[in-house]
Amino acid sequence: QVQLVESGGGVVQPGTSLRLSCAASGFSFSSLTMHWVRQAPGKGLEWVAVISNDGSQKYYADSVQGRFTISRDNVENTLDLQMSSLRPEDTSVYYCARAPNGAWHNFDYWGQGTLVTVSS
Amino acid sequence: QSALTQPASVSGSPGQSITFSCTGTSSDVGGHNFVSWYQHYPGKAPKLIIYDVSSRPSGVSNRFSGSKSGNTASLTISGLQTEDEADYYCSSYSSSNTPPYVFGAGTTVTVL
Repeated sequence: QVQLVESGGGVVQPGTSLRLSCAASGFSFSSLTMHWVRQAPGKGLEWVAVISNDGSQKYYADSVQGRFTISRDNVENTLDLQMSSLRPEDTSVYYCARAPNGAWHNFDYWGQGTLVTVSS
Repeated sequence: QSALTQPASVSGSPGQSITFSCTGTSSDVGGHNFVSWYQHYPGKAPKLIIYDVSSRPSGVSNRFSGSKSGNTASLTISGLQTEDEADYYCSSYSSSNTPPYVFGAGTTVTVL
């Protein structure tokens, strides 16, 4: 079955960096577009970034543009999010989510998330 | 502030039907049939329950249905069950500059 497992979260200080990973299994990872979505404490969901199946197309939310980098390894079946210049407002649970074929706008499977806390 | 507007909470008794809304603009909800709904139990992975306004993924109960009128999409849960108590988020593709994918702030469904 489809599984997405995020890792890498933790408590970091403002201005520092952190790398999140999402291990995918149970489907043809290299065929599908992948997203990162986050949820701040007590808030709604916020789309963060998307990467096409071959990694050639990447798009970011304005709030993270220039600070976050999405990437993938289609051999290891992993999705990464490199986060730098972290701010307290980046504190969130970060989810990786899969988009089904030809439907980037749908998120049909999600991981359980990994918590990132940015605090001094 | 979320791009899509949802009521913060909705409640109903077991067996009842409830409907709640997701309001956007002509750039997102009103401009495309790319509205989806997600069920989220805190601490768990969100689950897609409706996509493309009114389609249900395989395995999702037919008690869940979606619709859209103008800039407002709606989710209806029929025959409310205790297991339906969760947070529900709507999402839409947006043709405005960025971001291309917008969410609502979520609606908490309580089964009385």
